[in-house]
Amino acid sequence: ELKVEQNPLFLSMQEGKNYTIYCNYSTTSDRLYWYRQDPGKSLESLFVLLSNGAVKQEGRLMASLDTKARLSTLHITAAVHDLSATYFCAALNFGNEKLTFGTGTRLTIIP
Amino acid sequence: GAGVSQTPSNKVTEKGKYVELRCDPISGHTALYWYRQSLGQGPEFLIYFQGTGAADDSGLPNDRFFAVRPEGSVSTLKIQRTERGDSAVYLCASSLGGGWETQYFGPGTRLLVL
Repeated sequence: ELKVEQNPLFLSMQEGKNYTIYCNYSTTSDRLYWYRQDPGKSLESLFVLLSNGAVKQEGRLMASLDTKARLSTLHITAAVHDLSATYFCAALNFGNEKLTFGTGTRLTIIP
Repeated sequence: GAGVSQTPSNKVTEKGKYVELRCDPISGHTALYWYRQSLGQGPEFLIYFQGTGAADDSGLPNDRFFAVRPEGSVSTLKIQRTERGDSAVYLCASSLGGGWETQYFGPGTRLLVL
């Protein structure tokens, strides 16, 4: 059974700082996804990582995937307040259509 | 373009009652998913439709939960004899063809069972 763990669960950081959120998954996964969720809102797709060594960047966020280590990271560069949200990673195995989500990382950026 | 829509946005019901939650996927998306999200947790898979058929219903917690998608577009999640533990946000997602295609989520229905 595929399991996904994220850490940290909570992260409070100052504007302008860099930090990384970690996502480990238990078995081989074909795809790794990152979503953002604002309070009371639904999930917004950020990145899809398709293969080992994949790196994607959008603004101050960069996601990477190491399939050998079963690890994905979401790196935040020079954080700004509007990045405050909960970030989820989710893994999917081809042939098994469901996404398995981590518990989320609640990120708060302090001015 | 229009995203995934869900109605109602909020539903309050009493224990033992029957509820229906509706999902309208993105036009042209053949794959539709239902997830349930409890407070402070990530979404948990309930059921997946490809077209009109339920391809995977392994996440439905028990036989009080049922979902349909009769014409391959709109889907309804039905919960019988609701229990307080059913309180959660029910999220619907759709993707173009299933598989590893990105799933796009709706705003959710917040269900509260008193």
